[in-house]
This record gives sequence, C-alpha cells and structure tokens, in this order.
Amino acid sequence: LAKTTQPISMDSYEGQEVNITCSHNNIATNDYITWYQQFPSQGPRFIIQGYKTKVTNEVASLFIPADRKSSTLSLPRVSLSDTAVYYCLVRIYNQGGKLIFGQGTELSVKP
Amino acid sequence: NAGVTQTPKFRVLKTGQSMTLLCAQDMNHEYMYWYRQDPGMGLRLIHYSVGEGTTAKGEVPDGYNVSRLKKQNFLLGLESAAPSQTSVYFCASSPPRVVNTEAFFGQGTRLTVV
Repeated sequence: LAKTTQPISMDSYEGQEVNITCSHNNIATNDYITWYQQFPSQGPRFIIQGYKTKVTNEVASLFIPADRKSSTLSLPRVSLSDTAVYYCLVRIYNQGGKLIFGQGTELSVKP
Repeated sequence: NAGVTQTPKFRVLKTGQSMTLLCAQDMNHEYMYWYRQDPGMGLRLIHYSVGEGTTAKGEVPDGYNVSRLKKQNFLLGLESAAPSQTSVYFCASSPPRVVNTEAFFGQGTRLTVV
C-alpha cells in the first residue's frame, strides 16, 4: 500500500502562505493524492484532491510533479482558524476508494 | 442533511464486553469505511464496504467484525473488548468512484475499555 511521509509539525504566522510537502514514492498509476484537515475532536474534512499537475479550489492549491512521487499543499494567507492537523493521503482507486492515512502535519498558526 | 452520523458518541466498556457501533449515512453512498484513531496518530482503516452486503478487511481488522445489511448503515462490532481497543472510531462514506469525489467523515465515537 502506498505510504505517505510529511513533516510532523510546522509553525506559521497569520497572513503567510503555508506549503506542506508530502512524499508518496510508491503511489500506483491509478491512485489519487488527497488532503484532509482535522480539528481536535472532529472527523477529517476534505480539502483537495488531484492526480497530476496543479489543482486549485477556494481553499487551497495542490501541486503534483510529473513523477507523482510527491505533492505540495499550499494554503494562502493562513489564519488562526487554520491551526489543525493536515493529512496527505493516497486514495486507492481499485480498492473501494479507501483512504490510507499517514501521521499528518500539525500546523500551528500564530498571531 | 445529516451526512454521516455515528452512534453512540461516547462509551465506556469493561474488558470482555461486547458492543456495536452504528454508522448511518443519508447521501446514498455505496462506499463506507471504519477507522480508528489513537492519540497523536493518523487514522487506520479497520474494515470497509463497497456496497450493501459486502465487506472487506483494512489495515487493522483483528478483534472487529462488520456488517452492511442496508446500504445506509455500516455496523462495527467488538465481540470481546480489550483495553487495546480504546480509541476514537470514525466512520466515513463516499460515492462509488475516486475521481472528483470525497469521503465524508462522521464526528467520531470515543470508546474507552477498562
């Protein structure tokens, strides 16, 4: 199964852009890269998903190079409410679309 | 629209007791999943289902059983609870495809086995 590796923690300040990079060296051809956000005592919440190149939505951007062995989540102008754990996941195409979680990155946004 | 609802939200069990966690979704999703999350850890997949009447093992299935008798419900059973099963359990559901879809998670069930 594809495993992901990402920094355990990151610190940032309000208004800054935050980039979290994730490596997934064993990703399969048909699998998708997905990012989720989790606040304490809540279930994970979907942020963005992509297969290759760049994907952007109202919350974040996701950059995936051609070899797909890594990806970078970009959060523009973070606020205190963005303090959370961010998970880089591989969504397994052939096995019920199951999500394989790693350790996650604990992002702390300071004033 | 309730989304994914988990019952109960909290439970304390004694070692050896049994219980069933209920996950209900009202989005007509085919895929459903059960995860557990231990303190400071990511979520680990216990079992999943790709449709009514079907189930499959995930990463950590031992000590758990599941059933999907109705499309909207996915039950997780603990036949003989152990302290190692103290965790927060999350259920999720998604449409039957990966492209341009997301999985929706419930709010979790906090289970303590003493």
